[in-house]
Amino acid sequence: EADIYQTPRYLVIGTGKKITLECSQTMGHDKMYWYQQDPGMELHLIHYSYGVNSTEKGDLSSESTVSRIRTEHFPLTLESARPSHTSQYLCASSRSGAEKLFFGSGTQLSVL
Amino acid sequence: ELKVEQNPLFLSMQEGKNYTIYCNYSTTSDRLYWYRQDPGKSLESLFVLLSNGAVKQEGRLMASLDTKARLSTLHITAAVHDLSATYFCAVDRDTGNQFYFGTGTSLTVIP
Repeated sequence: EADIYQTPRYLVIGTGKKITLECSQTMGHDKMYWYQQDPGMELHLIHYSYGVNSTEKGDLSSESTVSRIRTEHFPLTLESARPSHTSQYLCASSRSGAEKLFFGSGTQLSVL
Repeated sequence: ELKVEQNPLFLSMQEGKNYTIYCNYSTTSDRLYWYRQDPGKSLESLFVLLSNGAVKQEGRLMASLDTKARLSTLHITAAVHDLSATYFCAVDRDTGNQFYFGTGTSLTVIP
């Protein structure tokens, strides 16, 4: 069973607020990912990390930032939330190499 | 640009019937993954296919990979209602650092 946790599960905030979505995994995985998914749509990669102090942007342009100070923690921050940021955010992790992704339960973000 | 396309996007089938979902991808890759997502839930890994000709089966689902054709199939045998979900295929680039997901196939099994 995967041990990857996301908080909060649901978040409703006003425009202009700064928010941080938390993601932690206890499996010692090197690689971590953030995906954005609109209802009924495909997943889009917004950020990923190979390991500590490594972060890269994915193909989907995003106004969010990430950090990877510890192996187990990969938070995503929006400095100023907008209604266009309303979406589901999924965190995932994997070991190095050709390994499947383990997904967290997701954060459903609504920006009013 | 890497593209991963699934066909069909929506599938409604009766219990007991067989059907195949197709996943085409545009890049060179020997690795393909299938995931299942229930409504409002996160994704769960179903299969990992790591080489040309790989075939894996779990219950009523069987996945295969043809890297030369850049095609993977997910075959459903004698569908049951519990299989209703959205199924995603995903490909990772040769670097193994980025996973690209298909458009998803929303499957509804009707009693």
